[in-house]
Amino acid sequence: QVQLQESGPGLVKPSETLSLTCIVSGGSISNSLYYWGWIRQPPGKGLEYIGRIFYNGRSTYYNPSLKSRVTLSVDTSMNQFSLRLTSVTAADTAVYYCARLWFVNLYTYGFDSWGQGTLVTVSS
Amino acid sequence: QSVLTQPPSASGTPGQRVTISCSGSRSNIGGNTVNWYQQLPGTAPKFLIYSTHQRPSGVPDRFSGSKSGTSASLAISGLQSEDEAEYFCAAWDDSLNGVVFGGGTKLTVL
Repeated sequence: QVQLQESGPGLVKPSETLSLTCIVSGGSISNSLYYWGWIRQPPGKGLEYIGRIFYNGRSTYYNPSLKSRVTLSVDTSMNQFSLRLTSVTAADTAVYYCARLWFVNLYTYGFDSWGQGTLVTVSS
Repeated sequence: QSVLTQPPSASGTPGQRVTISCSGSRSNIGGNTVNWYQQLPGTAPKFLIYSTHQRPSGVPDRFSGSKSGTSASLAISGLQSEDEAEYFCAAWDDSLNGVVFGGGTKLTVL
């Protein structure tokens, strides 16, 4: 059974860059049935889709509201993928989840495995 | 402000049937399928329903999904105490070209 685990700093200063990595175990990140994504949840609020990437790095999607600040990357040799969010503000404070996106077509898909989440606080 | 609208709370007693609504528009629920996720307190969300009414392996058939027009619903029958959680709907949005979520509904089992 695949497991995902986020890692990265829990505190980032305003205007700096948030960097998180998701380590995938129990399955290959190169499985072509899946994409790999990030979702965040500000304290007490709902979920926000950040983006997703395919194992070859050539197919990515970024939420338009974050697109100018987000970069996703994948390292198949380490079986992990990463999130980079630049110029952070307090509004970026959230629990960040990495997740596996099972995708057959636009009518059949879903985030079927999630990491436990990591709280990132933006504060000086 | 979430793109999909859910009531902030719902409640029911053990054994009861409860429904949670999710309202959207033609660009998301109206033209696409709906997924649901269950988030138990302090844990990551769990994949509950896909393609509006399909259940992933291991999800009890007490959980069911439906859709009518630009609204979707999650129904839980035979409510159990372990169903106390927050429930999120999600759908592809053709205008935003991405997945959008509801704000979540916190279900309390009285």
